[in-house]
Amino acid sequence: AQSVTQPDIHITVSEGASLELRCNYSYGATPYLFWYVQSPGQGLQLLLKYFSGDTLVQGIKGFEAEFKRSQSSFNLRKPSVHWSDAAEYFCAVAPNTGNQFYFGTGTSLTVIP
Amino acid sequence: SQTIHQWPATLVQPVGSPLSLECTVEGTSNPNLYWYRQAAGRGLQLLFYSVGIGQISSEVPQNLSASRPQDRQFILSSKKLLLSDSGFYLCAWNWDVLRSPLHFGNGTRLTVT
Repeated sequence: AQSVTQPDIHITVSEGASLELRCNYSYGATPYLFWYVQSPGQGLQLLLKYFSGDTLVQGIKGFEAEFKRSQSSFNLRKPSVHWSDAAEYFCAVAPNTGNQFYFGTGTSLTVIP
Repeated sequence: SQTIHQWPATLVQPVGSPLSLECTVEGTSNPNLYWYRQAAGRGLQLLFYSVGIGQISSEVPQNLSASRPQDRQFILSSKKLLLSDSGFYLCAWNWDVLRSPLHFGNGTRLTVT
């Protein structure tokens, strides 16, 4: 069955510390991969996407993600977290056939001073 | 530029009452349109998507239905709400090209009492 897994439900980091949010997917072929961020009570905003090519992709707000085919992973990273990064983060995949997008269950990020 | 509107922002409805949530997109034509539901701890669940007027694909059989009466209008409906229909409903669109990212509305918080 197709699935998207975000194993960390909640992460707390100190401001200025590095961050890595994990995402694993299970599909027959390499899908298209995305990270979105959601502020409380709001819709989702695209952080970055991977379609093909360079496996390290840069996004907005200083985020980056690395696609690792051997691990079926697409982890999100940021070298230095800011208090404004506190939000819910969702990994999403889109199979390379059809129009559907499937999301993980999300990781809630808390940033402490 | 393109914008997406969802309304209402919040809604409290009794069990057994009907539901109609509306989503419209401006500034583009022939978008793909999506309805997602977000429940606590369950991430985003794809409910319906549409690639054109009158074309609706249902991902999960349930108490809800969707319609697309106009190119840029997507409506989520129910004849009789259940308690389990409570959640945060998000409308999204993307261009009719393969894997263009989703753009989300600000969502509707539905509470069924």
